[in-house]
Amino acid sequence: LAKTTQPISMDSYEGQEVNITCSHNNIATNDYITWYQQFPSQGPRFIIQGYKTKVTNEVASLFIPADRKSSTLSLPRVSLSDTAVYYCLVGAPPGMAGGFKTIFGAGTRLFVKA
Amino acid sequence: GAVVSQHPSWVICKSGTSVKIECRSLDFQATTMFWYRQFPKQSLMLMATSNEGSKATYEQGVEKDKFLINHASLTLSTLTVTSAHPEDSSFYICSAPDTGTGELFFGEGSRLTVL
Repeated sequence: LAKTTQPISMDSYEGQEVNITCSHNNIATNDYITWYQQFPSQGPRFIIQGYKTKVTNEVASLFIPADRKSSTLSLPRVSLSDTAVYYCLVGAPPGMAGGFKTIFGAGTRLFVKA
Repeated sequence: GAVVSQHPSWVICKSGTSVKIECRSLDFQATTMFWYRQFPKQSLMLMATSNEGSKATYEQGVEKDKFLINHASLTLSTLTVTSAHPEDSSFYICSAPDTGTGELFFGEGSRLTVL
């Protein structure tokens, strides 16, 4: 399983765009990149998943360069409620061998200030 | 709504007793589920992989006799903390992959406090 490295914490202000980068130098060919959000005393919540290039949904964008050794989660115009821990996970998706046996890294604690 | 549900969401027990935590996939069947433990201010630690109809696979350092896992149906996995002690107090989280959508869904978590 590919190891991931993220900044331990980040600070931002309401209305700003936040970019959190994750390094995964040992990503395998079949691995997908998935980001989760976790609030205190709750289970992680899926944000976005991608394999290459760019993926966008209603809450975030995920940028993956051609070598796939890193990825960047982009949160547009954050609000106070986006204060949470963000985890980057790399692994085979469900249905594939070893699918989604998830090893969590330390995650990034995002603090959004007013 | 939640597609993976845990019960109970919190439990307090006396030292030496056993506690069972349930994890249910509500909208899909899951032949595999995962159990994690999370201490305050720390990341999730994978404890074991629960396999429907067969034995669970435990991560290194996790006592299988202490944390009993049963995956009796395609929608239910249970984690039993046997002879619980205060050091077992933690936030326990399960997850289940939906092979149809490719998503991994997490339960809401169960907070165990052992007195």
